[in-house]
Amino acid sequence: GAVVSQHPSWVICKSGTSVKIECRSLDFQATTMFWYRQFPKQSLMLMATSNEGSKATYEQGVEKDKFLINHASLTLSTLTVTSAHPEDSSFYICSVGGQGNQPQHFGDGTRLSIL
Amino acid sequence: AQSVTQLDSHVSVSEGTPVLLRCNYSSSYSPSLFWYVQHPNKGLQLLLKYTSAATLVKGINGFEAEFKKSETSFHLTKPSAHMSDAAEYFCVVSDGKGRRALTFGSGTRLQVQP
Repeated sequence: GAVVSQHPSWVICKSGTSVKIECRSLDFQATTMFWYRQFPKQSLMLMATSNEGSKATYEQGVEKDKFLINHASLTLSTLTVTSAHPEDSSFYICSVGGQGNQPQHFGDGTRLSIL
Repeated sequence: AQSVTQLDSHVSVSEGTPVLLRCNYSSSYSPSLFWYVQHPNKGLQLLLKYTSAATLVKGINGFEAEFKKSETSFHLTKPSAHMSDAAEYFCVVSDGKGRRALTFGSGTRLQVQP
């Protein structure tokens, strides 16, 4: 399956700063990547679908100006949490794949803590 | 529309005893079904997948699952639990169409006692 690298794995920053998370598909050209958010002891919630060379598709209730997604190449998508606040603290996970009946492959996630 | 129900939020077994994690689904289409495992502060690792081939699916680390259409179930089993199996398990359904949206179950935390 696809190998997905996510960076950083853990970030702590002050309220009001912006944080960028990278998701790289190491062995698979991904026209589409997915960004999920996971709160403690909860399941994954799809935030947005990142589309190479075009705008991301956001799920209902997800602020696109808050969570900026850029997918400039077939191997890299970035999620920027702008003006982060403590309520944005969460575990963010990206994935690639899922064409037809194939599974999605996930990165190791990024733990974001806003102080 | 599709949905997934994991019937147990928490399962505790003793090392060496069988594991059963239950999952029921609903889907308007012929679904693809997956089980993923998540260790603390890690992403999700694919255990196995069902994609309309054999109804009994074998996965990694000795896990297997049986697709039962009449019962709309896709339960995950393992004959003998190992300490390293302790983790969170997610049952996931995909209709394989459109934008490849996945629907996740709420997760089952497996605890393995020595």
